[in-house]
Amino acid sequence: QKEVEQDPGPLSVPEGAIVSLNCTYSNSAFQYFMWYRQYSRKGPELLMYTYSSGNKEDGRFTAQVDKSSKYISLFIRDSQPSDSATYLCAMSAGANSKLTFGKGITLSVRP
Amino acid sequence: EPEVTQTPSHQVTQMGQEVILRCVPISNHLYFYWYRQILGQKVEFLVSFYNNEISEKSEIFDDQFSVERPDGSNFTLKIRSTKLEDSAMYFCASTGQGASPLHFGNGTRLTVT
Repeated sequence: QKEVEQDPGPLSVPEGAIVSLNCTYSNSAFQYFMWYRQYSRKGPELLMYTYSSGNKEDGRFTAQVDKSSKYISLFIRDSQPSDSATYLCAMSAGANSKLTFGKGITLSVRP
Repeated sequence: EPEVTQTPSHQVTQMGQEVILRCVPISNHLYFYWYRQILGQKVEFLVSFYNNEISEKSEIFDDQFSVERPDGSNFTLKIRSTKLEDSAMYFCASTGQGASPLHFGNGTRLTVT
């Protein structure tokens, strides 16, 4: 089983849709969970950062972590064409430990 | 907002040549990292660096790779003798003390011919 698995996509939605992006993981040592957005030929840009289980909201973005199920999600409300990008989940066991990434899912929001 | 800067943005080199990829992390950060992303694949961890020494490295980071912080601002990745399979985007990242997220640069695209 891969350490971090992410829905492969691609995903295409109409503008205004609610988008749900998900990752599962196998390593129960992971404590820190992140979502990054990556545009073509650019570096990953941090969207959400959470510690342990629970929800975190920032504007149109909500991150959920369920450690008992080893499952994390990112919800995007009222999606915009500017949200079109690749979304990467990442996680680590310690505060400054290496990140393990999912493969990423490419989202396209149609006007 | 402070950012991680990487140079060059694109480097083309011949197989067997040495390359040095350069990074300027965010100024008050203490932990530094290199990751790479082969086209179409996951972002993969290479090495982390703290307090002037390597704190962790992956199996990819073999004897052909080295890192250095030659002064108070730069952080470099050297590949001694490049192979075709070293072609990838190389990302530098940094973070501060305690539980804070990694901030990535925009990468150097390395093409080995």
